[in-house]
Amino acid sequence: KAGVTQTPRYLIKTRGQQVTLSCSPISGHRSVSWYQQTPGQGLQFLFEYFSETQRNKGNFPGRFSGRQFSNSRSEMNVSTLELGDSALYLCASSRLLTDTQYFGPGTRLTVL
Amino acid sequence: GESVGLHLPTLSVQEGDNSIINCAYSNSASDYFIWYKQESGKGPQFIIDIRSNMDKRQGQRVTVLLNKTVKHLSLQIAATQPGDSAVYFCAERAGAGGTSYGKLTFGQGTILTVHP
Repeated sequence: KAGVTQTPRYLIKTRGQQVTLSCSPISGHRSVSWYQQTPGQGLQFLFEYFSETQRNKGNFPGRFSGRQFSNSRSEMNVSTLELGDSALYLCASSRLLTDTQYFGPGTRLTVL
Repeated sequence: GESVGLHLPTLSVQEGDNSIINCAYSNSASDYFIWYKQESGKGPQFIIDIRSNMDKRQGQRVTVLLNKTVKHLSLQIAATQPGDSAVYFCAERAGAGGTSYGKLTFGQGTILTVHP
């Protein structure tokens, strides 16, 4: 069974731009979570989706948003990029909200 | 709090030794705990998990111990190999009924280096 896939793998943007990251979960998984990983803050929860509904949200500004489609694929968007948004963005999927989360390889975002 | 642990400790062992990685968690309402391994340039990889109704769980070469009294979690790796070198993260999840249900809170991680 294929794992979690994330596209693109690498992205370079400039301050003020916006970006959209994509995540395809493992087949049959209906829950998708997003995390931001930085050297200073570690892995921090962004939000979680199940059946196209946001079930949980972390402590991030409104510039960070996401959505989930009927096929369980998910996207996250960051508007008005700041230098501090440079990070590895990780997507994880699970069958249900309470099941084990399996991570994708991440998207490395660099904001210049 | 929002994080488990504050620093990124390191553990250096010789190939063949047993390794023990420790983690202190913060939320007494957490009912599920999980260990991930992250190699450079990759996403976290699931190792083993344990629910709060258990004290110990074993996998292939790995054992997780849970002490709810002192809110402590440990990962034991038997016969550590160079391929085990990575950053290891513990994570906790709050139980049902709370607003954080489903959300994982991660520790800062421990760097494990295995010398041949």
